Amino acid sequence: QQQVKQSPQSLIVQKGGISIINCAYENTAFDYFPWYQQFPGKGPALLIAIRPDVSEKKEGRFTISFNKSAKQFSLHIMDSQPGDSATYFCAAESNTGKLIFGQGTTLQVKP
Amino acid sequence: NAGVTQTPKFQVLKTGQSMTLQCAQDMNHEYMSWYRQDPGMGLRLIHYSVGAGITDQGEVPNGYNVSRSTTEDFPLRLLSAAPSQTSVYFCASSNHFGTGFYGYTFGSGTRLTVV
Repeated sequence: QQQVKQSPQSLIVQKGGISIINCAYENTAFDYFPWYQQFPGKGPALLIAIRPDVSEKKEGRFTISFNKSAKQFSLHIMDSQPGDSATYFCAAESNTGKLIFGQGTTLQVKP
Repeated sequence: NAGVTQTPKFQVLKTGQSMTLQCAQDMNHEYMSWYRQDPGMGLRLIHYSVGAGITDQGEVPNGYNVSRSTTEDFPLRLLSAAPSQTSVYFCASSNHFGTGFYGYTFGSGTRLTVV
């Protein structure tokens, strides 16, 4: 049973456009909802994270929108750049350190 | 400060063989986890640990054993390798986010092929 579901599986965006990736979770016992970015041949790295009592968090061009009642959250990448081309994972973490990932979205930003 | 170190980087096993994937961290992190990454499946949690002597099962624990005798090390054992265990394995570590959220730090991965 997939506790965190992510869509789309792949995404192609023009340079300067907005990239949007969506996630939904099932278990309400999560305390943080992070996004990780992974480049080919590397391990994932934390990009941005949000607590469930916050509706939006912005860091530079990256914004998380969180809807607690719908159990959904999304990542918006503004002014997408070719260097943003990577695989993005949404995740959910409990206060016991259990971190569960979505299936991932491969983003390609075309110049 | 090396972060999370995984060895080996590549491994080929024959069906039925056993092996241990090593993971060490030098950040004094309480939490450590093992994931496998397969195309289209994302990262799936195998086992995790909240401290020395404490481990728990993740989403896909079957066929894998772990132990955590020290804070630094968290080895993953494949008891009898099967082709279905062909994957990229990642180890990660973190501290509890009681004083702030810093996320998990991942190693560079071990690419395992079982033939």
